[in-house]
Amino acid sequence: DIVMTQSPDSLAVSLGERATINCKSSQSVLYSSNNKNCLAWYQQKPGQPPQLLISWASTRESGVPDRFSGSGSGTDFTLTISSLQAEDVAVYYCQQYYITPQTFGQGTKVEIK
Amino acid sequence: QVQLVQSGAEVKKPGSSVKVSCKASGDTFSNFAISWVRQAPGQGLEWMGGIIPIFDTTKYAQKFQGRVTITADESTSTAYMELTSLTSEDTAVYFCARDYAGNSPFDFWGQGTLVSVSS
Repeated sequence: DIVMTQSPDSLAVSLGERATINCKSSQSVLYSSNNKNCLAWYQQKPGQPPQLLISWASTRESGVPDRFSGSGSGTDFTLTISSLQAEDVAVYYCQQYYITPQTFGQGTKVEIK
Repeated sequence: QVQLVQSGAEVKKPGSSVKVSCKASGDTFSNFAISWVRQAPGQGLEWMGGIIPIFDTTKYAQKFQGRVTITADESTSTAYMELTSLTSEDTAVYFCARDYAGNSPFDFWGQGTLVSVSS
């Protein structure tokens, strides 16, 4: 199985400041058929299911604010929230969908400082 | 708008089984796959398995092999997940989620079903 490791486990950021979450996969998730990385980011708020924010490592889903961006390739990926808002308080997960079983990182809790 | 609506919370005894349903609407059921992902209290997300209804093919995580069965009824656009031999370690919220059957993320999720296992 591909192991996904996120860092940090939690972070506290002031409103309006940048938040950066890292995700590392134990092997490359680059899909040769389209030369894209099979890497997604989800946001989960308490009592809610996860919500897909970004797919293919950097493609923002419809309706997701542009302060959220994804980058990276191969085995190293980053989710950046450029200007943290109060509604962004949540746990964020990365996920690889390159091979079954799809696996998730352990999650990163983002709070307001 | 795609919706996945799951059945309600369950309380089970150790050793028993649970069957959770996930009814899809807003898109053609046969066009995609349904996976089941669970989340123990305060923990992360764990993929259990999935089904492609149009082909009736299933895949399961090795951890749950032999204990989980995922089925789908195309006539009602409903997927099911049955987990047997329950222990307290199976206490979790169980989510169904949709993807496009391989190399795609989960773009829609059910609301979750809490399964509590206690004697």
